[in-house]
Amino acid sequence: EDQVTQSPEALRLQEGESSSLNCSYTVSGLRGLFWYRQDPGKGPEFLFTLYSAGEEKEKERLKATLTKKESFLHITAPKPEDSATYLCAVRDMNTGFQKLVFGTGTRLLVSP
Amino acid sequence: DADVTQTPRNRITKTGKRIMLECSQTKGHDRMYWYRQDPGLGLRLIYYSFDVKDINKGEISDGYSVSRQAQAKFSLSLESAIPNQTALYFCATSAGRTGQTDNEQFFGPGTRLTVL
Repeated sequence: EDQVTQSPEALRLQEGESSSLNCSYTVSGLRGLFWYRQDPGKGPEFLFTLYSAGEEKEKERLKATLTKKESFLHITAPKPEDSATYLCAVRDMNTGFQKLVFGTGTRLLVSP
Repeated sequence: DADVTQTPRNRITKTGKRIMLECSQTKGHDRMYWYRQDPGLGLRLIYYSFDVKDINKGEISDGYSVSRQAQAKFSLSLESAIPNQTALYFCATSAGRTGQTDNEQFFGPGTRLTVL
């Protein structure tokens, strides 16, 4: 059974204090690992898709990386507006359709 | 204007009532999904539809039904609501298979449903 575990559950940073969020996954055949950002009271907002180990993608202060067992979301010099819950999801190539298995997320709070 | 809209945004109902949540999209996507989100459990798939004539159960479909009225509209019904269906409900859409860009799902703003 596909599983996604995110850590830590919550993270508090000072503005400018870089850190990383972890997404560990178990899947029989990975067909995409997805990062989403979710603000309170809103739907998840798509950030990145990674397909193969070694792949990296960047967007502003965020950089996502992928290995065969986990993905990291690196946040460089975060600002208060980066505060949100970050969700990770995987798609298993053996499911035959676009079913995403989500982790429970990391709540990030960046203080000024 | 939002690409994926959901109505209502908030709803409080009583046990045993029938409830319908509606989703509309202007992205032109063929595929639509309904998820629920509970604290500590993450997003879980209820139903999904690849086109108007193709509707499938997700991992937690018991107690729910759906209707795909058109390419752009996908409704979720709770035939007889119960308190443990209290949750955040999200609709999502994605394009059909177009190489590696076929997996991105775009979410609506959600409906907060409370069943008393």
